[in-house]
Amino acid sequence: DTAVSQTPKYLVTQMGNDKSIKCEQNLGHDTMYWYKQDSKKFLKIMFSYNNKELIINETVPNRFSPKSPDKAHLNLHINSLELGDSAVYFCASSPTGLAGPYNEQFFGPGTRLTVL
Amino acid sequence: KQEVTQIPAALSVPEGENLVLNCSFTDSAIYNLQWFRQDPGKGLTSLLLIQSSQREQTSGRLNASLDKSSGRSTLYIAASQPGDSATYLCAVNGPNAGKSTFGDGTTLTVKP
Repeated sequence: DTAVSQTPKYLVTQMGNDKSIKCEQNLGHDTMYWYKQDSKKFLKIMFSYNNKELIINETVPNRFSPKSPDKAHLNLHINSLELGDSAVYFCASSPTGLAGPYNEQFFGPGTRLTVL
Repeated sequence: KQEVTQIPAALSVPEGENLVLNCSFTDSAIYNLQWFRQDPGKGLTSLLLIQSSQREQTSGRLNASLDKSSGRSTLYIAASQPGDSATYLCAVNGPNAGKSTFGDGTTLTVKP
């Protein structure tokens, strides 16, 4: 009964490849997010979607493209992978957008991406 | 631009001790603040969420306080246990709607 799930858990790939990470939440939340945690453990928001609509797009290379087929799913596609993309990517969800005072974020287990 | 700082970066205490973790933020126009714990190699587990209008929130041995005007929050852990060993992160939601800024975390070690 995992609330927020991600696949795969580990991803090892060569530079220049294209890869996708999938995220699903079964909490009935309207908003989903992608975060990147780098080697220094610093966590930074990349994107957020509310009801399949992009509401936050941080300064992220356009090689990263999120896709939300429905409000329970938010996938992250990365083109032309670079060494610096190696990190742990976390998906999260919250009942509504973070502007609301009662929102609580729930995180997935993370996907550890290693680019060789 | 919101900036979030957590002090100390690391803390080691003997089992049973009460302790306080600190989180400070630069822009007080926030919607809420959330405390998480992260175990090595794992995701984030939500501990407490404090609304901007609240002063504190409690869950079991945890108590989080919020002083919005001074840009500070504390997480108090009573009677610490080895199982409390983890990295504790605070996340400040606001002032930009929909954007959450995380601190660097405090890594806590509770020795038996």
